[in-house]
Amino acid sequence: DGGITQSPKYLFRKEGQNVTLSCEQNLNHDAMYWYRQDPGQGLRLIYYSQIVNDFQKGDIAEGYSVSREKKESFPLTVTSAQKNPTAFYLCASSTPTGVGYGYTFGSGTRLTVV
Amino acid sequence: DQQVKQNSPSLSVQEGRISILNCDYTNSMFDYFLWYKKYPAEGPTFLISISSIKDKNEDGRFTVFLNKSAKHLSLHIVPSQPGDSAVYFCAANPSGNTPLVFGKGTRLSVIA
Repeated sequence: DGGITQSPKYLFRKEGQNVTLSCEQNLNHDAMYWYRQDPGQGLRLIYYSQIVNDFQKGDIAEGYSVSREKKESFPLTVTSAQKNPTAFYLCASSTPTGVGYGYTFGSGTRLTVV
Repeated sequence: DQQVKQNSPSLSVQEGRISILNCDYTNSMFDYFLWYKKYPAEGPTFLISISSIKDKNEDGRFTVFLNKSAKHLSLHIVPSQPGDSAVYFCAANPSGNTPLVFGKGTRLSVIA
């Protein structure tokens, strides 16, 4: 059964640590995305990748890094430079279908700084 | 600057009544619009979409209306059910392969 898997579901980070959030999809989608959700802020785009070995910054890329070495995988690293990392992180993937296209989202990772 | 705006952060509706969620956009180049539903601690799920060449799309209890001249779309849920209680995101597809642009969401509470 195809889908997107995000892990872990809950993650705790100490101040100054880097952490990596996993996102894997078996939908054969070309494009993948990382969003951050904060209360009252909606979904804000961090990074996206439309093809393997290529990615672009979104609206709030500072303090984050990504890689896209495989079509199925798009891990997100939250670095110590991200000043306010506590949030709910969502990964999505898509493939263009006709006029428009929709995303398939993972179930999210809640990151908390302790 | 927000290109997709959902000006109502929250909405309360009685069970069985109609829920109307609104969304405004500023970019006339958007050609496809989508609504997503999100429960707490879960990822959003696709609900319904509409192309800019149409003014209405219906799927069961859900209907989306598009008014291009006003740059406005709305999602109607009839009849509303308690299970519809969730956050609803409006999203727009810019031209080309650029990512979807999302609104900030509207939290719908359906009261039994």
